[in-house]
Amino acid sequence: DVVMTQSPLSLPVTLGQPASISCRSSQSLVYSDGNTYLNWFQQRPGQSPRRLIYKVSNRDSGVPDRFSGSGSGTDFTLKISRVEAEDVGVYYCMQGTHWPPISSCFGQGTKLEIK
Amino acid sequence: QLQLQESGPGLVKPSETLSLTCTVSGGSISSSSYYWGWIRQPPGKGLEWIGSIYYSGSTYYNPSLKSRVTISVDTSKNQFSLKLSSVTAADTAVYYCARLEMATRSVDYWGQGTLVTVSS
Repeated sequence: DVVMTQSPLSLPVTLGQPASISCRSSQSLVYSDGNTYLNWFQQRPGQSPRRLIYKVSNRDSGVPDRFSGSGSGTDFTLKISRVEAEDVGVYYCMQGTHWPPISSCFGQGTKLEIK
Repeated sequence: QLQLQESGPGLVKPSETLSLTCTVSGGSISSSSYYWGWIRQPPGKGLEWIGSIYYSGSTYYNPSLKSRVTISVDTSKNQFSLKLSSVTAADTAVYYCARLEMATRSVDYWGQGTLVTVSS
């Protein structure tokens, strides 16, 4: 099984400052088609998760451009260039390379809060 | 706009079977481009994958739950369902239904979630 490990698990950030979340997989997420299927989700308090980023760095429609994804192989990063109050919540990475998912495809989650 | 809506009892007794249905609107469950899945989240904890189903009926279950889980699809009603047997308090969670997009190998739509509490 591929294990997804996020860090930090808690991230206090000052409004307007940048934030960075790391996600590491226990195996390479490069698929045989050459794509890397790593996704990022945001879960605001009391809401369902919503996808922010797919295939490492592609933002979903409506996602502010202050969110960016990067990485390759087994190491990935979600960056927020300037944190806003509406960014408070828990962020999850999810691997899709081993498809369809059958077990631990999500990271543990990183809780972003305003300092 | 695609919408997914979970429905079912919010309270289940220990040792009984949890049953939930997800109704899909604004799109066809028979599309060859998607799988349909169930994900749960215990209170205050992270996301746990339960399983998924293709419109043809092929299913994929989390090995840790496989002996207790059944996911089925009813294309005539545009619905898919979850049954989890022999529940305990550890199965108390918000249960989400979701659409899995094959092109991105990701979840692109989530239901609003429904809290199921296991208690006598």
